[in-house]
Amino acid sequence: GQQLNQSPQSMFIQEGEDVSMNCTSSSIFNTWLWYKQDPGEGPVLLIALYKAGELTSNGRLTAQFGITRKDSFLNISASIPSDVGIYFCAGQGLTGAGSYQLTFGKGTKLSVIP
Amino acid sequence: SQTIHQWPATLVQPVGSPLSLECTVEGTSNPNLYWYRQAAGRGLQLLFYSVGIGQISSEVPQNLSASRPQDRQFILSSKKLLLSDSGFYLCAWSVRQDQPQHFGDGTRLSIL
Repeated sequence: GQQLNQSPQSMFIQEGEDVSMNCTSSSIFNTWLWYKQDPGEGPVLLIALYKAGELTSNGRLTAQFGITRKDSFLNISASIPSDVGIYFCAGQGLTGAGSYQLTFGKGTKLSVIP
Repeated sequence: SQTIHQWPATLVQPVGSPLSLECTVEGTSNPNLYWYRQAAGRGLQLLFYSVGIGQISSEVPQNLSASRPQDRQFILSSKKLLLSDSGFYLCAWSVRQDQPQHFGDGTRLSIL
């Protein structure tokens, strides 16, 4: 099956620093999604990318859909304490049976030191 | 706007007892619905998905089953819970299969 490699697994940064995380896959995806999950809650969609090369921003967050369609990155600028949480990438592609499948990375746990 | 509700938020059940977790979506019609399990605060594993009433696809063989009795209602069940069924269960919906999924707040299930 499809697998995603998300890195880094965890990060400790100072408030105000920029953050970068990425996902790579051995398979091509049609869509890349980035989610954030706070403790005890469900993941919340941050950014959706639909086209190879697409660069999309949402406030201090910027994400890109890689040209090869096998990777994506998420940047957070000027981090603040509420950025703490687990960030997941997810790639969506067609299965052999013709249905769409969403494959998740294992997450990047972000800690922000005030 | 669309909202998704899951309940209960937490549940503690003895081994061998039955299970019923409920998920409802408001503000949309004929959504695609999904059940995931998340272990140890990390990766999400798709358990079931449904593209319409009475239509259930199972992704992994297990002790659980799903049903969709109404358009916007998705239920996760078990007749006899195992210790290994403990985890964080998440329901999600999407407009279509190729559109982003939106998650509920999850149910924390502990089996004793």
